[in-house]
Amino acid sequence: DQQVKQNSPSLSVQEGRISILNCDYTNSMFDYFLWYKKYPAEGPTFLISISSIKDKNEDGRFTVFLNKSAKHLSLHIVPSQPGDSAVYFCAASAIMNRDDKIIFGKGTRLHILP
Amino acid sequence: DTEVTQTPKHLVMGMTNKKSLKCEQHMGHRAMYWYKQKAKKPPELMFVYSYEKLSINESVPSRFSPECPNSSLLNLHLHALQPEDSALYLCASSQEGLSNQPQHFGDGTRLSIL
Repeated sequence: DQQVKQNSPSLSVQEGRISILNCDYTNSMFDYFLWYKKYPAEGPTFLISISSIKDKNEDGRFTVFLNKSAKHLSLHIVPSQPGDSAVYFCAASAIMNRDDKIIFGKGTRLHILP
Repeated sequence: DTEVTQTPKHLVMGMTNKKSLKCEQHMGHRAMYWYKQKAKKPPELMFVYSYEKLSINESVPSRFSPECPNSSLLNLHLHALQPEDSALYLCASSQEGLSNQPQHFGDGTRLSIL
């Protein structure tokens, strides 16, 4: 049973436009969420995170929004650039539960079109 | 360049072989992790070492044996593996073994079992 779901296996966005990657979770104990980016033949790279006490966190072109009632988070990239083409993993953990495990979603492959 | 170095990058071994995967970081991180990732699946946690002690073992078969000789090194000893163990094995580290800290990943070892 997947606790972290990324229902779109892939997404294509025109360069310069906004990319929106979505993630849903089922475990209400999750209180910390992270996004990782992965290029082929490389390990995942941390992008941005958000604690459950916030509903938005912004870092440059990247913004993560958290909707706790809907158990949904999204990553916005604006403007999208060619180098953003990669697989994006959503991840969640339950730090208040003293559970040090991070659960990853299956990932969404983002293609930025010229 | 990744700050977590994994060797070898590729490994092909028979089911009766014994081999080891190696991981090294010099960021002063006190937590290190092994993940297994199959194609089109998320990384799945195998082991966590915190302050050189095994803190999480996700019910991994004994044919996988982790070792943490010091705070910078993490090994994964392999023996009598099965074809279904073919996967990408990712090592990661974080400052401490807390899931609200970003993990830094290596580029992985792609393992093929014949």
